[in-house]
Formats: sequence, C-alpha cells, structure tokens
Amino acid sequence: DAGVIQSPRHEVTEMGQEVTLRCKPISGHDYLFWYRQTMMRGLELLIYFNNNVPIDDSGMPEDRFSAKMPNASFSTLKIQPSEPRDSAVYFCASSLGQSSEAFFGQGTRLTVV
Amino acid sequence: ILNVEQSPQSLHVQEGDSTNFTCSFPSSNFYALHWYRWETAKSPEALFVMTLNGDEKKKGRISATLNTKEGYSYLYIKGSQPEDSATYLCAPYSGGGADGLTFGKGTHLIIQP
Repeated sequence: DAGVIQSPRHEVTEMGQEVTLRCKPISGHDYLFWYRQTMMRGLELLIYFNNNVPIDDSGMPEDRFSAKMPNASFSTLKIQPSEPRDSAVYFCASSLGQSSEAFFGQGTRLTVV
Repeated sequence: ILNVEQSPQSLHVQEGDSTNFTCSFPSSNFYALHWYRWETAKSPEALFVMTLNGDEKKKGRISATLNTKEGYSYLYIKGSQPEDSATYLCAPYSGGGADGLTFGKGTHLIIQP
C-alpha cells in the first residue's frame, strides 16, 4: 500500500475562495482523522470518521469547514469561504481500529492570501 | 476533546545523555495511549500504542511506561543521538467514541552534539 495519500501537497488560494483538500486512507482502515497544525495549538483534531460515519466534529473551527467521507477510500475537507487565518498544514491519518497506530499522510500546506 | 498535557514543552540534551518526558491525560474511560515521533518537515510516525496499566514498551533506545490509574505515561530515550531530535507527541484514546485521537502539544527535543 502507498500509505495515506493527500492532495494537493500545496495550495495557494485567495481569501473568499473555496478550498477542497483530499485524502485517500490506507485500504482496509476503518478510522480516518483530519488534523490541522498550528503554532498555537499544535496538532489539532478537526473531525474523525469511523466506517465512513463522522463521529466527532467538535474540533471543526467554524461552519466554513465541512468534511465528508462518501466511501471507505476517500475523504474531503472543504473550507468555504477561506480566510487568511486558515493558512496551516492539514494532515489526514487513518488507522485500523481504536488501539492501532495511525498512519499520517504527507499533509497539505494551505496558504490563503 | 480530551485535555492532554505534555511536559516539558522543550528540552535540550547533550548527545549521549539519557532523558525522559511526561504525558498526562484523564484516567477515566481510558482505552489506549499513543506515542508519536514528529521530525521537522515530515509527518508524525507512531512509536508505541499502549493499552494495559503497567505496560512497558521498547524500541531500540526508546521506551515508554504507562499508568492508567493515575493518567500518565513516560517516554525515555537512552544515550540520545542527534537523530533523536524531534517533537514527541502523545495521544490518549478514550473508548466509546466521543473523543478521537487527541494529541498533546508535544515535547520538542533537541540533541546537542
């Protein structure tokens, strides 16, 4: 398996535009996590899914953020409209079960200008 | 979202010295405790996943212990090497849903030659 794949690796967008980040988890994994890396909060959990169902989205900062997992092999994190303060590195991770290690993607570096 | 405390925030250690740092977490509803190593410009990688009170795990010069009754885990590095320089993250996992894999802010370890 190629591991967790995120796309794009880098995204530069203008304030107000819609941004969609994509994640392909490791095949067979039943948990998928979205994180945001910031200086203030470190690695911040935004939302996670179990068997494609969102379990906890209390970390999603605002209504501008939404995430979906239409099937076991794909998830998206959407920001609409984007703001400069959304600039960060966004990580996706997947795991098999609750007590197994999570594998992280390479991250998407988002810059909103 | 779980309250996870890691200390110290940063640590400078001479090459060859041994060191340790702490992860504190709520002891109620404990399911598992994860440790990750995060090098600059890379993605976090799992070191250990621990589930049993009193458990001790080892990988090379790195080991970890777990106390689920009082809610803490220690990570030890013996004979530090420059390649050990990284941020070490812990994440407790509570069973039953609600809280996902929530990371502490990490201990930033710098090994000085």
